[in-house]
Amino acid sequence: DAKTTQPTSMDCAEGRAANLPCNHSTISGNEYVYWYRQIHSQGPQYIIHGLKNNETNEMASLIITEDRKSSTLILPHATLRDTAVYYCIVRVVVGGNEKLTFGTGTRLTIIP
Amino acid sequence: DAGITQSPRHKVTETGTPVTLRCHQTENHRYMYWYRQDPGHGLRLIHYSYGVKDTDKGEVSDGYSVSRSKTEDFLLTLESATSSQTSVYFCAISQTPGPAGGEYFGPGTRLTVT
Repeated sequence: DAKTTQPTSMDCAEGRAANLPCNHSTISGNEYVYWYRQIHSQGPQYIIHGLKNNETNEMASLIITEDRKSSTLILPHATLRDTAVYYCIVRVVVGGNEKLTFGTGTRLTIIP
Repeated sequence: DAGITQSPRHKVTETGTPVTLRCHQTENHRYMYWYRQDPGHGLRLIHYSYGVKDTDKGEVSDGYSVSRSKTEDFLLTLESATSSQTSVYFCAISQTPGPAGGEYFGPGTRLTVT
């Protein structure tokens, strides 16, 4: 079962905000929304996570809808180095057996 | 960047030979994980460790064993390599599991079994 749905690909102009949507309509009350990205041939990189409230860090902002059925990752000023596959994941912590399951993600291409 | 290294970065080996991959961290994080990544399957957890000598199986542990004799090192051994174990292997670390923060991944090891 796919717990999240993301567009397959997106383009964004360099310097503009990149907004990546994710649907997670079956999310449970104790599941967090996590975002990772993977630049070609590199290990995945943690970006941000949230439960209910919007979150911001040095990399991105995460906007979660009030019903928690969808979220948007925002890269405020996209650069060419942000070209990557972005994964939206919902997860619960259960004693350390963190089965990180990546779906197909969104391939974001930043256009010069 | 978190201090995680993996060795070797690339390896070609023959079917039936044992192979050991090493993950080394300088962050003193408690949790360490081994994943494999294959086209069409995404990232799959092989084994994980929640402390020295404390390890447990993930979803695709058959054919793999692990050891953690020191906080900084987590070894993954393919007891008798098979072609189905050709993959990219990623090590990850975290200070706490899950919501307190995300995992930090190493650069990966590309293993080819011929």
